[in-house]
Amino acid sequence: AQRVTQPEKLLSVFKGAPVELKCNYSYSGSPELFWYVQYSRQRLQLLLRHISRESIKGFTADLNKGETSFHLKKPFAQEEDSAMYYCALGTYNQGGKLIFGQGTELSVKP
Amino acid sequence: DADVTQTPRNRITKTGKRIMLECSQTKGHDRMYWYRQDPGLGLRLIYYSFDVKDINKGEISDGYSVSRQAQAKFSLSLESAIPNQTALYFCATSDSADRALYEQYFGPGTRLTVT
Repeated sequence: AQRVTQPEKLLSVFKGAPVELKCNYSYSGSPELFWYVQYSRQRLQLLLRHISRESIKGFTADLNKGETSFHLKKPFAQEEDSAMYYCALGTYNQGGKLIFGQGTELSVKP
Repeated sequence: DADVTQTPRNRITKTGKRIMLECSQTKGHDRMYWYRQDPGLGLRLIYYSFDVKDINKGEISDGYSVSRQAQAKFSLSLESAIPNQTALYFCATSDSADRALYEQYFGPGTRLTVT
């Protein structure tokens, strides 16, 4: 079954602390994984995709096929990082639908 | 991104009523999607359309129907609203061209309350 799991509903850290938002997936094919972010009163938007291997707003995510994980990391959290984060799996063999995880709310305290 | 708009933004309706949520886009994308967002459940796909003549059910289509009136318009209907359809509804679009396949652009959402 194709599934994305984000085990933490809420993650609360202090400003300057490292952050890791966990994402695990289940997919029989070659996965394409993404992180989407929803800031307060803003639309859901793409943050980064694994294939780009890029760092956006200080966030990185590495695809680990052995552990079927795609955790989102940032070494030093900022208050403006507070948002809802969704991990998503692209299902190329189904025409490109996205399967979203349950979401993790990140709260960065001053 | 004002290229994807949803109307209404908020709606309160009563059980049993029929309601339509509308989505319009000016991005020129061929693919459109309807999701609902519930706390703790994330975004779940209701229906999706890869072009005007191609409409598919998502994981939670029961109680919903859709209409793709044009490439730019995709409407979601609740034939007989029930309280557990109270949620935040999002429309999204994407472009089938190559690697842009997975980047979806979301509307601002419609908050629907069924009493």
